[in-house]
Amino acid sequence: KNEVEQSPQNLTAQEGEFITINCSYSVGISALHWLQQHPGGGIVSLFMLSSGKKKHGRLIATINIQEKHSSLHITASHPRDSAVYICAFQTSGSRLTFGEGTQLTVNP
Amino acid sequence: ETGVTQSPTHLIKTRGQQVTLRCSSQSGHNTVSWYQQALGQGPQFIFQYYREEENGRGNFPPRFSGLQFPNYSSELNVNALELDDSALYLCASRDTTGSYEQYFGPGTRLTVT
Repeated sequence: KNEVEQSPQNLTAQEGEFITINCSYSVGISALHWLQQHPGGGIVSLFMLSSGKKKHGRLIATINIQEKHSSLHITASHPRDSAVYICAFQTSGSRLTFGEGTQLTVNP
Repeated sequence: ETGVTQSPTHLIKTRGQQVTLRCSSQSGHNTVSWYQQALGQGPQFIFQYYREEENGRGNFPPRFSGLQFPNYSSELNVNALELDDSALYLCASRDTTGSYEQYFGPGTRLTVT
């Protein structure tokens, strides 16, 4: 069993839909990261959180430390949101353990 | 724009050869981590350098080695390349006196034939 599990693996949505991507992990962590990766490879950090909820524009990330679970929500999805979304946890130091990613496709 | 750059962008090598990949971090970022991302998978931790010393390593053989320099640049060296080394190689840096936030470079796509 992977230390971090994401679901779904693939997600197709229509423009405007509300999207949720889930991430579960199995160890105690110091921080949970949500990252976005576009074709071509570059990774952009969306959120880093250790408790509660963060919001940036149409993106919202939540974490429940007791349940070892985090979610990334996208409101009013747009085709430009199409990308791979990856969660990764950090225990100590700088090492990140990544999930396999969720391929999101938003159709116009 | 993360302020982290990597070179080269793409590279094609032959099995058995050696390769050096480079990463330039933001000024003040004293920690750099390297990751290997095979196609369709999440990145895997290779190793981490803090103040020019390796201080953490993933499940990669010794032919993967690195260096970190005082000017916040670093290198990943891979000897005796194998076909399975074909992947996207990412570096990420952070300032350990600040938050846990990490800044990723755009990656180097290595193809071994």
